Amino acid sequence: AQTVTQSQPEMSVQEAETVTLSCTYDTSENNYYLFWYKQPPSRQMILVIRQEAYKQQNATENRFSVNFQKAAKSFSLKISDSQLGDTAMYFCAFRDANFGNEKLTFGTGTRLTIIP
Amino acid sequence: ETGVTQTPRHLVMGMTNKKSLKCEQHLGHNAMYWYKQSAKKPLELMFVYNFKEQTENNSVPSRFSPECPNSSHLFLHLHTLQPEDSALYLCASSTRDRGLSGELFFGEGSRLTVL
Repeated sequence: AQTVTQSQPEMSVQEAETVTLSCTYDTSENNYYLFWYKQPPSRQMILVIRQEAYKQQNATENRFSVNFQKAAKSFSLKISDSQLGDTAMYFCAFRDANFGNEKLTFGTGTRLTIIP
Repeated sequence: ETGVTQTPRHLVMGMTNKKSLKCEQHLGHNAMYWYKQSAKKPLELMFVYNFKEQTENNSVPSRFSPECPNSSHLFLHLHTLQPEDSALYLCASSTRDRGLSGELFFGEGSRLTVL
């Protein structure tokens, strides 16, 4: 069974600074997808960024980027030029790429607070 | 209306009540999910439906009864719940197609309190 571990329950950073959230996972699969989801205080979870395991290039979405280390099974999220609207819970999630297996396995989340 | 909508947003019920949570998706997806979110725990997958057929029941107690009448609607019927069932219940949908990453689109959740 896959597991996802987020070792930082809470983090805070000054506005405009850069912050990195860590995530590690355990799997015996070779093909899979990794995701970072954001859940603001209003509660709706939205996708921040995704990474396909077969791609060596790290995914980027504007101020959000990942550091994907497949051998180390590490998938960290970097937020650059942090903004007040980045305050939220962040969840790392894993899904293997086998067709028919739609189950996403989530970590326990990191509560990120951006300080004005 | 777009996205995934859940009703009610808040629900308080006694242990002997019967209530239902409703989820509707307007994204044309063919898979729908119920997740339970409790404080300081990972999201727990409860049920998965693909094309209206239940494909996963993650050892959920029978006091939770899902219903999926079509690909756009998903219900969670609640009966004789326990206080430990108090949580945020999240509905999600996705496209189940080969080669796609299958990310989930979530509703805002239904906050359930069992007295």
